[in-house]
Amino acid sequence: GQQLNQSPQSMFIQEGEDVSMNCTSSSIFNTWLWYKQEPGEGPVLLIALYKAGELTSNGRLTAQFGITRKDSFLNISASIPSDVGIYFCAGQLGNAGNMLTFGGGTRLMVKP
Amino acid sequence: DAEITQSPRHKITETGRQVTLACHQTWNHNNMFWYRQDLGHGLRLIHYSYGVQDTNKGEVSDGYSVSRSNTEDLPLTLESAASSQTSVYFCASSQRKGMKDGYTFGSGTRLTVV
Repeated sequence: GQQLNQSPQSMFIQEGEDVSMNCTSSSIFNTWLWYKQEPGEGPVLLIALYKAGELTSNGRLTAQFGITRKDSFLNISASIPSDVGIYFCAGQLGNAGNMLTFGGGTRLMVKP
Repeated sequence: DAEITQSPRHKITETGRQVTLACHQTWNHNNMFWYRQDLGHGLRLIHYSYGVQDTNKGEVSDGYSVSRSNTEDLPLTLESAASSQTSVYFCASSQRKGMKDGYTFGSGTRLTVV
């Protein structure tokens, strides 16, 4: 099936550093979503993007819908220990109805 | 408040046994999904439903079945549990059309097959 290439797979950073992760695909997506999964819990929606070029923030998080509609990135500024978790991108293809395609996840570890 | 609940949170079962994992949502969402999460594989779709009496296979459906007799519930059944089905299982739901709010996920069921 369709795949989203998410990178990096894991990051180990110092508290206070900025973080950037991205997802790319060879297919065009209508919607991009970013989720965070904390240990022992299900993914929770962080940011949703609906238009090419859209830039949306949620606190220290900023995500962008790529102009080509084939990619998206998520930035976290001034990381804190509670940012630890797995971040997933997800996209909705134009012909996929109500189906999301998920990236493989970025595992973020923050050293205090 | 609306929610999506999975039960049990943890289960250990023996190889060959039939196991059913429950998923119940009070969002009145038409769409429901089952995923499994394994290290190195991210989230993989098992089965999904777009409404009552509708069920569809996902990319890893072998050995699993679902039924949708009402809007609120989509139980996942492992017909004959195998060690390869040891995983964390997530249920999700979404509104009928569009992706305004994406999927809402349950907290997961950790299944161990011994």
